[in-house]
Amino acid sequence: QVQLVQSGGGVGQPGRSLRLSCEASGFTFSNYLMYWVRQAPGKGLEWVAVISDDGSGKDYADSVKGRFTISRDNSKNTVFLQMSSLRVADTAVYYCARDREEGGHTWDFDLWSRGNLVTVSS
Amino acid sequence: SYELTQPPSVSVSPGQTATMTCSGDNLGDKFISWYQQKPGQSPVLVIYQDSKRPSGIPERLSASKSGNTATLAISGAQAMDEADYYCQTWDISTNVVFGGGTKVTIL
Repeated sequence: QVQLVQSGGGVGQPGRSLRLSCEASGFTFSNYLMYWVRQAPGKGLEWVAVISDDGSGKDYADSVKGRFTISRDNSKNTVFLQMSSLRVADTAVYYCARDREEGGHTWDFDLWSRGNLVTVSS
Repeated sequence: SYELTQPPSVSVSPGQTATMTCSGDNLGDKFISWYQQKPGQSPVLVIYQDSKRPSGIPERLSASKSGNTATLAISGAQAMDEADYYCQTWDISTNVVFGGGTKVTIL
């Protein structure tokens, strides 16, 4: 079954760290760019980060640059989001998502995880 | 930074056609994708490259683009079409950009 299954997240304090994991199955993970997208409660979608298929290329939204790190382990079919220096404004449901095109880079997303809520609160 | 603008809400009667817009500068130079998100669910890609439907998306959903405005239409609207719809593109200044979303209500 083609799917993305997330783990991690939960509640974190401002200034602390949390890590999200997203395990892929049912497709050749190493052939796809992967993304993280978040959605604050009651708000719209916001792109967070992207990583190339081999992990050599990464980019981030300005709102998380310098605080969040995206990485992947193709041997484990997993993409990660390490979130540091957390802020209350980082509270959101975080989704991992797959690029639409195998071996390509379309900047749109055809497969999404169910999402995990990350709450930053003291 | 680049922005996409969507109306906050659209209402339509069952069986009628709902249309929603997405506007942005130089939209003609960019590909637009559309996502449907039902309450409590993850987004689903319903349109890519301005007007193409992924497999499994009904023909009732269609999209087009003219000038700086993209349009998503839902013909024969049904209760199952009630959702938030987001347009999305890529811009060199901000990478991925989403519109603010349009809530579609079937009256």
